[in-house]
Parts: sequence; structure tokens; C-alpha cells
Amino acid sequence: ETGVTQTPRHLVMGMTNKKSLKCEQHLGHNAMYWYKQSAKKPLELMFVYNFKEQTENNSVPSRFSPECPNSSHLFLHLHTLQPEDSALYLCASSQEGLADYEQFFGPGTRLTVL
Amino acid sequence: GQQVMQIPQYQHVQEGEDFTTYCNSSTTLSNIQWYKQRPGGHPVFLIQLVKSGEVKKQKRLTFQFGEAKKNSSLHITATQTTDVGTYFCAGPLSGGSNYKLTFGKGTLLTVNP
Repeated sequence: ETGVTQTPRHLVMGMTNKKSLKCEQHLGHNAMYWYKQSAKKPLELMFVYNFKEQTENNSVPSRFSPECPNSSHLFLHLHTLQPEDSALYLCASSQEGLADYEQFFGPGTRLTVL
Repeated sequence: GQQVMQIPQYQHVQEGEDFTTYCNSSTTLSNIQWYKQRPGGHPVFLIQLVKSGEVKKQKRLTFQFGEAKKNSSLHITATQTTDVGTYFCAGPLSGGSNYKLTFGKGTLLTVNP
């Protein structure tokens, strides 16, 4: 276990549904990330939060809405998704300010949009 | 935009053979990281290289960072079935902080016992 948990592990939703992905890190880190991993594509950075402040939004469509209530929790709110949004969504955390920039990934949420 | 390219995309070897994956960036990197993702798993950090020409070893794995800090390689000696997985390199976004990474597409390694 890496100290980063994600729920749910699997999610199937229709295009009109609203759902949320949850991530929690137990490592005391100050930076958290959402990544999208699709087949045959590189891991794509979606959002970065540093000390609860969003510091990166990588041109992500507004149907994805992140929320970071504190440095340990990160949410990704989903609404009116498209089938091409089906992917593995990975949360990661790291400690900004150290010499090593190692990121710790959670197990991911496998999302299928019907 | 900045790109990080990896080759080969796939590599199948017999157990005991060596394996190498190469990573090239379109821009100079302040550091490069390597991750491994087992089938059905999530990326796990392997190592970070920072200095030009740096070489680091972890048992059968050897990591190199190019002199120009635009390329890197991972070499596995005498592969084992436990080495199966996808190996990713990642570097910081150009002009961005070191923790905002651009990942390569990865090299999927399969090992025939």
C-alpha cells in the first residue's frame, strides 16, 4: 500500500449522471494530483493542488470539477460525461519542497461511461 | 508543447535476456523520474535522476541521464518474470514546477518464462 486510497475502485455511469471520485492520502503530503490514464495514451495530468490551492488545470473540460477541502483529501466531481471519458483516474500525492519529487499513486478508479 | 517520447512501445523477451527502454524529451529536463506499473496496478516510483550524465543502479536495473539532460534510459539485466509491467519516464513540464510531470507513453515489457 502506498498510503493513498481511492474510492470507488470501479464506477459505471450514464452520461446524465453525477458522481464523485474520492482520494485520501495518509502521508502528510502537501500536493495532490488527478491524472487520467487512457489506453494507448500517456498518463495525463489533469489538476494539481498545492496546500489546498489549485495550481494547475491542464485544459480539462468543465464536466470535471475538482475539490480539495484540505491537504489530505481530493475529490473529482463528474457530470454529463462522454463515453471518451472512460479511463483509469489516478490520484497521487507528493511533498513539495523536498529534493525528491517522488509521487505516490493510489490504486485508481476505473470509470466507464455508457 | 513539450513532449516526452519513449521507445520501444512494447518489448517481449525471454527470461534471462536484457531489456532497455529509452526516453527522449523535446526540452531539457531539470530531473527525470522512472515509474513501473504492473498489469492492473498503479504507477510506482523507481528512481529520480538529476545530474547530467548521472548513472544509478538498483540491483539489476541501471538508469542513465544524458549529458544534455534530454534523454534517459533504463536497462534491466537478466530479466525475470517479476519485471513484467509498463515502465514510464516522466519529467517536469517546461517552465513549470518540478512536481508537475509530463509522462512518456511507456514501454510494456513482457517476459516469457
